[in-house]
Amino acid sequence: EDQVTQSPEALRLQEGESSSLNCSYTVSGLRGLFWYRQDPGKGPEFLFTLYSAGEEKEKERLKATLTKKESFLHITAPKPEDSATYLCAASTSYGKLTFGQGTILTVHP
Amino acid sequence: DTAVSQTPKYLVTQMGNDKSIKCEQNLGHDTMYWYKQDSKKFLKIMFSYNNKELIINETVPNRFSPKSPDKAHLNLHINSLELGDSAVYFCASSQVWDLSEQYFGPGTRLTVT
Repeated sequence: EDQVTQSPEALRLQEGESSSLNCSYTVSGLRGLFWYRQDPGKGPEFLFTLYSAGEEKEKERLKATLTKKESFLHITAPKPEDSATYLCAASTSYGKLTFGQGTILTVHP
Repeated sequence: DTAVSQTPKYLVTQMGNDKSIKCEQNLGHDTMYWYKQDSKKFLKIMFSYNNKELIINETVPNRFSPKSPDKAHLNLHINSLELGDSAVYFCASSQVWDLSEQYFGPGTRLTVT
């Protein structure tokens, strides 16, 4: 069975304190790895798609990387507005996404 | 303009009732989805339609029945509601059915008492 596990479950950072979120996946034939951001009371918002090991994508203070077993979301010099739940999801077949449980990020000013 | 909209946003009902959630997207996308997010925040796919054709039907009780009258709409009807159905239900859409970023609606919080 396809499985996606995110760690840590919750992360508290001071503003400006860089860190990384981890997404480990055990799936049969990864076709794409997605990262989403979810704010309280809202639907997930798309951030990145990674397709192959070694690929990297950046957006403002966020950088996503992919290896054959896991993906990292690096947050550089975070700001309070980066506080949210970050979800990763693996696409294996026919457009189906298997989501992890998310990492709740809180950035204190 | 709202890209993916759902109604209602909140739904409180009693066990045994039948209810529907409506979803509309104005992005011109071909594929639409229903997800369930439980209290632990796990987001799980329930159904997916591509050009009004059902392409993903996960292990979901028969009490849940999706209907897609056209490409822009995907509704979810739930019969005989149970306590365990309480969750947030998200509708989403994507341009194509495979490896395409999905746009999510704001969610419908269903509470069954």
